[in-house]
Amino acid sequence: EADIYQTPRYLVIGTGKKITLECSQTMGHDKMYWYQQDPGMELHLIHYSYGVNSTEKGDLSSESTVSRIRTEHFPLTLESARPSHTSQYLCASSELAAYNEQFFGPGTRLTVL
Amino acid sequence: GDSVTQMEGPVTLSEEAFLTINCTYTATGYPSLFWYVQYPGEGLQLLLKATKADDKGSNKGFEATYRKETTSFHLEKGSVQVSDSAVYFCALSASSGGSYIPTFGRGTSLIVHP
Repeated sequence: EADIYQTPRYLVIGTGKKITLECSQTMGHDKMYWYQQDPGMELHLIHYSYGVNSTEKGDLSSESTVSRIRTEHFPLTLESARPSHTSQYLCASSELAAYNEQFFGPGTRLTVL
Repeated sequence: GDSVTQMEGPVTLSEEAFLTINCTYTATGYPSLFWYVQYPGEGLQLLLKATKADDKGSNKGFEATYRKETTSFHLEKGSVQVSDSAVYFCALSASSGGSYIPTFGRGTSLIVHP
């Protein structure tokens, strides 16, 4: 079944740790995105990719990095987690054309102590 | 740049009431328009979409019509249920330098009481 997966769903970690949030999709989509969702629900685009070896920064300044070595995989890494990184992180994918909708994963809720 | 403005919530209704959530947009060119819904603890999922002027998207009793003259895409449902309680996002996707990166509104929380 075509889907988009995120792991872990919940993560509690101490300040200064390196973490990687995983995102995988089985739909063969070229475009993938990472969003940060604040408690007020607003979505902030932090990274996106048009395909393999393509990565771009989004509207929200972020200390995270991403990679796109395989079409289906788009991991997000924080080299040194801080309490300000506490948030919900949503991964999404879509086909290239503007009229195509995005498919979202279930999210990772990150808490940095 | 592109932008989406939707009404602030929360919107609180009784079961079987009529729902309208307003959404207006600014964009260059001819955007595609979307409504997404987010249930508690989940990611967003597409509710409906419209890709050209006067198109009506519909799904699960929800409807929205792409109005180019008023740059609007208001979401409506004739009779809401408790299970419709969720956060609703209006979004557009347009060519901004060829990027087609979606722009989202800030979300509207809907609470439906029995």
